[in-house]
Amino acid sequence: GAVVSQHPSRVICKSGTSVKIECRSLDFQATTMFWYRQFPKQSLMLMATSNEGSKATYEQGVEKDKFLINHASLTLSTLTVTSAHPEDSSFYICSAHGGSGGRTDTQYFGPGTRLTVL
Amino acid sequence: DQQVKQNSPSLSVQEGRISILNCDYTNSMFDYFLWYKKYPAEGPTFLISISSIKDKNEDGRFTVFLNKSAKHLSLHIVPSQPGDSAVYFCAAIRGSTLGRLYFGRGTQLTVWP
Repeated sequence: GAVVSQHPSRVICKSGTSVKIECRSLDFQATTMFWYRQFPKQSLMLMATSNEGSKATYEQGVEKDKFLINHASLTLSTLTVTSAHPEDSSFYICSAHGGSGGRTDTQYFGPGTRLTVL
Repeated sequence: DQQVKQNSPSLSVQEGRISILNCDYTNSMFDYFLWYKKYPAEGPTFLISISSIKDKNEDGRFTVFLNKSAKHLSLHIVPSQPGDSAVYFCAAIRGSTLGRLYFGRGTQLTVWP
């Protein structure tokens, strides 16, 4: 099946630094990518929807200036957590949706990135 | 506002028996439902789905039932195997928002020998 990768898988950083997470669709072109975050024992919460070549659409309550999303190509989307703080520590997961007209069983998830901000 | 709810955070079942995971939703506009399986430190993997025009979908050991009037769906795993131990997420979609998933909080299934 289709593969989505994320890099890094785990990152620890100091408070105030910025962290970039990459999401790549390895064997298909992803017209849309989604970024989720998951807190312990909580559901996956959608942060933003990213379409190639256009600005991301953020969910209510998600700070656009803090979580910068770039979807520069059909195989790569990046999430940059700017000026990270301990409360940003979470598990960030991307998913990629390929093609048009397909249902969501064609949405493939990356393995996730564990961010810990000290 | 949690539009998809999984009220049981955990379920423990003996190997060989049936596992039943439940999910409720509040938005009547949802027309497609999915179950994902997730291991720790990994992304979710798609398991099975059902359209709102159906009330049952079966794939091997996995069957999903949908009761639209009750806004309830369930995932049945039979027979359960230790390898099924994982967190199971229920998710839903509104027809007009292709790809945008609404997730429940998940149910940790433990299958013991």
